[in-house]
Amino acid sequence: EGQLVESGGGLVQPGGSLRLSCAGSEFTLSNHAMTWVRQAPGKGLEWVSSISGSGGGTFYAGSVQGRFAISRDNSKNTVYLQMNSLRDVDTAIYYCAKDGVVGDNPQGYMDVWGKGTTVTVSS
Amino acid sequence: DIVMTQSPDSLAVSLGERATINCKSSQSVLFSSNNLNYLTWYQQRPGQPPKLLIYWASTRASGVPDRFSGGGSGTDFTLTISSLQAEDVAIYYCQQYYDLPYTFGQGTKVEIK
Repeated sequence: EGQLVESGGGLVQPGGSLRLSCAGSEFTLSNHAMTWVRQAPGKGLEWVSSISGSGGGTFYAGSVQGRFAISRDNSKNTVYLQMNSLRDVDTAIYYCAKDGVVGDNPQGYMDVWGKGTTVTVSS
Repeated sequence: DIVMTQSPDSLAVSLGERATINCKSSQSVLFSSNNLNYLTWYQQRPGQPPKLLIYWASTRASGVPDRFSGGGSGTDFTLTISSLQAEDVAIYYCQQYYDLPYTFGQGTKVEIK
């Protein structure tokens, strides 16, 4: 089975920006919608954003709409999450996950998850 | 948004005994045109990412032991572990994918009694 590897996390001040990357290996990400899910320290899972296989459709949680942007480069088998105007509440582990169904549009259940990258927003 | 509520928040079960987790959605996640429930279950072991267990409410993911089973329809769902093993200690989450935003239950922590 393929794997996903996230990178780009780190410590950033409130109001700052980060770009997360998610690279896939052993499967072709363009055949699947992709999703970012986050988990604040000691808390549950929160869906953040999804993108269609072609990249033509993007979807966001209300809490990040207008601040985060999801994109993908299928030639590099990589998905990105550009995070701007970061807030304390955005502190979390960010997981990248592959849609469980082959197709362009997100179906919504995720069958392969990366190990996550940690984002800490603090002054 | 569809609100997902799990019960209990935690449970302790003896090895080899049955564990049952409930998940209730604030509206039906059954899509009438294909008769599929857009409900999935994940397992998250300590320090690990989530792992897909069940999708379409009752279909086991590849490689998932058959002691895990999912049931229910509409708004009420269950995840059952028929014979708890030590490696099943984890937090279990349900998630609806019927509509955006996808939403998760708050999680149920399963421990050994």
